[in-house]
Amino acid sequence: DGGITQSPKYLFRKEGQNVTLSCEQNLNHDAMYWYRQDPGQGLRLIYYSQIVNDFQKGDIAEGYSVSREKKESFPLTVTSAQKNPTAFYLCASSNRAGSSTDTQYFGPGTRLTVL
Amino acid sequence: AQSVTQLDSQVPVFEEAPVELRCNYSSSVSVYLFWYVQYPNQGLQLLLKYLSGSTLVKGINGFEAEFNKSQTSFHLRKPSVHISDTAEYFCAVSDGSGYSTLTFGKGTMLLVSP
Repeated sequence: DGGITQSPKYLFRKEGQNVTLSCEQNLNHDAMYWYRQDPGQGLRLIYYSQIVNDFQKGDIAEGYSVSREKKESFPLTVTSAQKNPTAFYLCASSNRAGSSTDTQYFGPGTRLTVL
Repeated sequence: AQSVTQLDSQVPVFEEAPVELRCNYSSSVSVYLFWYVQYPNQGLQLLLKYLSGSTLVKGINGFEAEFNKSQTSFHLRKPSVHISDTAEYFCAVSDGSGYSTLTFGKGTMLLVSP
């Protein structure tokens, strides 16, 4: 089955630790995205990538980093510089780079809790 | 810059009743509009999207939405809801330029009771 996988589903970390969230897609999509979701806040864009080895900051990139070494993979690192990292993180992908009409397909999400 | 306003954070409704979830947007250029649904602890799933053409868009699960350019709205409707429609619904806009990023509203929780 084609789709987007995110792992793990639940993640617990101590304050001050970096943590990396995995996102893999087998849809052969060019573009990938990371969003953060907080209750009552909707989805906010963290980073996005249109092609391999290239990515751009979204609206709330501070305290996060990404890489795009392979087309199918777009891991997100939540660093210790992120002041309030506890949230639900969603990864998405869309078919064509630079297309505003393409649907974004979402993974099941990772719930990160920082203790 | 574009923005999306979902006017209701929660909409309670009885099963088999009609429902409308409201969405207004602001953008200085032409827009593309989307409605997504999120069931608890899951990712988002596309319900429908407006790109061009007919202003009435039909989606999955019996939902439809109407694009109104003069009122900058894209309200979502369903004539008869089911318990299984209980979920959070997000309206999103893409302005058709740059790198095709989406701006989401804050969501509306639809609560269907028997």
